Amino acid sequence: DAGVTQSPTHLIKTRGQHVTLRCSPISGHKSVSWYQQVLGQGPQFIFQYYEKEERGRGNFPDRFSARQFPNYSSELNVNALLLGDSALYLCASSPYGQGTYEQYFGPGTRLTVT
Amino acid sequence: GDSVTQMEGPVTLSEEAFLTINCTYTATGYPSLFWYVQYPGEGLQLLLKATKADDKGSNKGFEATYRKETTSFHLEKGSVQVSDSAVYFCALTLMNTGFQKLVFGTGTRLLVSP
Repeated sequence: DAGVTQSPTHLIKTRGQHVTLRCSPISGHKSVSWYQQVLGQGPQFIFQYYEKEERGRGNFPDRFSARQFPNYSSELNVNALLLGDSALYLCASSPYGQGTYEQYFGPGTRLTVT
Repeated sequence: GDSVTQMEGPVTLSEEAFLTINCTYTATGYPSLFWYVQYPGEGLQLLLKATKADDKGSNKGFEATYRKETTSFHLEKGSVQVSDSAVYFCALTLMNTGFQKLVFGTGTRLLVSP
């Protein structure tokens, strides 16, 4: 079975632009979470979606938004990009929306804002 | 708030040496604890987990014991290999929050030389 996939792999954007990152969960998984990993730091929780509804949100500005589609894939959108948004964006999927079920991470999208 | 503190790296060891990476946590509730590993250019992989006090998680020769009295979850391995070179993240998640949110430490880079 395929693991979590993310696209694109790398992305370069200019300050003020908008970006959309995509994630496909493991087949059968209904939960998708997004994390931001700044270089040299641990991942920070941005959102969790389960059954197409937002279940949790981290401490990120409203410029960050996401959605989940009927096939459980997800998009993360970031508006008005800042230099500080440069990071590795990780998507993780899980069978359920809560509990200690393992979260399976994708390889990430490396976003560079210039 | 909830947080995880890890020892700073890099940790540099020779092959077959004993490994300890310290991890302590602060949590408002009763957390489950995890160790994730990130190999160069890859996403995070779950290494082991423990969900209650005195539980020992183990995998691939790595072990960690959930110590509630010292709020610690130190990672150990008796004999490291060059292939263990990676960044190791300690993380926690709280039950009964209605969603899954992993809180990560800053990561500890391990370098193993032949």
